[in-house]
Amino acid sequence: DVKVTQSSRYLVKRTGEKVFLECVQDMDHENMFWYRQDPGLGLRLIYFSYDVKMKEKGDIPEGYSVSREKKERFSLILESASTNQTSMYLCASSLPWAETGELFFGEGSRLTVL
Amino acid sequence: AQRVTQPEKLLSVFKGAPVELKCNYSYSGSPELFWYVQYSRQRLQLLLRHISRESIKGFTADLNKGETSFHLKKPFAQEEDSAMYYCALRRTDKLIFGTGTRLQVFP
Repeated sequence: DVKVTQSSRYLVKRTGEKVFLECVQDMDHENMFWYRQDPGLGLRLIYFSYDVKMKEKGDIPEGYSVSREKKERFSLILESASTNQTSMYLCASSLPWAETGELFFGEGSRLTVL
Repeated sequence: AQRVTQPEKLLSVFKGAPVELKCNYSYSGSPELFWYVQYSRQRLQLLLRHISRESIKGFTADLNKGETSFHLKKPFAQEEDSAMYYCALRRTDKLIFGTGTRLQVFP
């Protein structure tokens, strides 16, 4: 069974703190993605990665960075958390697009920044 | 600009009624479109894709290039269809999503 696991389901952090959101997939997928999900705004792409040590900016990368040191793991980093980064963060993975065109999502990490 | 628009935030129907969730897109090439669904307390998952021309859980969606639409339809809604539905458009190797429509099916 396909599995994308986000290690933290709920986090509460203070403004200015550094935050790490971890995502691991067990499907040997090349592509990994980080989205944030907000009511009324849908899903917006933050960063994505096609391969180990590769990363590309999505539509809203400001205030975020990512790390992909191993194929199965894709981390989202908030260097200095701010209240407007309070959101649900979704990690996803996929095969190279031409093969299936399907994203597999994790359960999400709900981050609250006070 | 490539964009997906879902004009309805909320759609409420009674069980057995027809359902149509609207999705419009803007894309200069040949679009590849998807519907994703998120049931309560479950992860977001693929419902259907237009290239498959399939019916999943009684839902269908037809790509209308003239109207740039990809509306999701079901002739008879069930209570278990209550969920958040997102339309998505492929842009190179990424998906861009609409803002979502919450479907509520009342008994």
